[in-house]
Amino acid sequence: DAKTTQPPSMDCAEGRAANLPCNHSTISGNEYVYWYRQIHSQGPQYIIHGLKNNETNEMASLIITEDRKSSTLILPHATLRDTAVYYCIVSSRGSTLGRLYFGRGTQLTVWP
Amino acid sequence: GAVVSQHPSRVICKSGTSVKIECRSLDFQATTMFWYRQFPKQSLMLMATSNEGSKATYEQGVEKDKFLINHASLTLSTLTVTSAHPEDSSFYICSARESASNYGYTFGSGTRLTVV
Repeated sequence: DAKTTQPPSMDCAEGRAANLPCNHSTISGNEYVYWYRQIHSQGPQYIIHGLKNNETNEMASLIITEDRKSSTLILPHATLRDTAVYYCIVSSRGSTLGRLYFGRGTQLTVWP
Repeated sequence: GAVVSQHPSRVICKSGTSVKIECRSLDFQATTMFWYRQFPKQSLMLMATSNEGSKATYEQGVEKDKFLINHASLTLSTLTVTSAHPEDSSFYICSARESASNYGYTFGSGTRLTVV
């Protein structure tokens, strides 16, 4: 079962930063926060993940609150190609665990 | 990075027939793969966990005799939808993770199944 809460939709102007929030108040100590996105009719694409420290890669930044009950995915300069459904997922990374349960996600629409 | 190939991308079959979907990890070994189903305008629903060399683990409510999973090698898992019916029409997606990867799970591009 999904253990995260996300707004159903958000808009962002092209070139601006998109900040997508996620609430995961019941996260366990060994669970990571994963972010994926899905463009229509494609398989989900991995974006970033983290445990408790903030993370940054070439796609995005992940800010996790100190109590780990929420996080924010930041796309620093959104483009039209970033329009997608963004999923925030919590999961452990053990080999037999680590199943990813998807919630409803946030539909991000980037407009020109 | 890790690549997961899924085949076919689209398939149309007649009601009552069986359809096999393949999921391959192209450049890494995956002892565990996952199968999802996605209906239009809905999220991905985890169906089962495919374990190499052993039986798959099915999520509650998923019929194991209808959705047969075989994970015969470290790079291949197959999902067979048996005796397909129109209500089985959906988008099926697999995923896998390289054990040593720092990049999370890699997903296939999905298979659009239409049962007529």
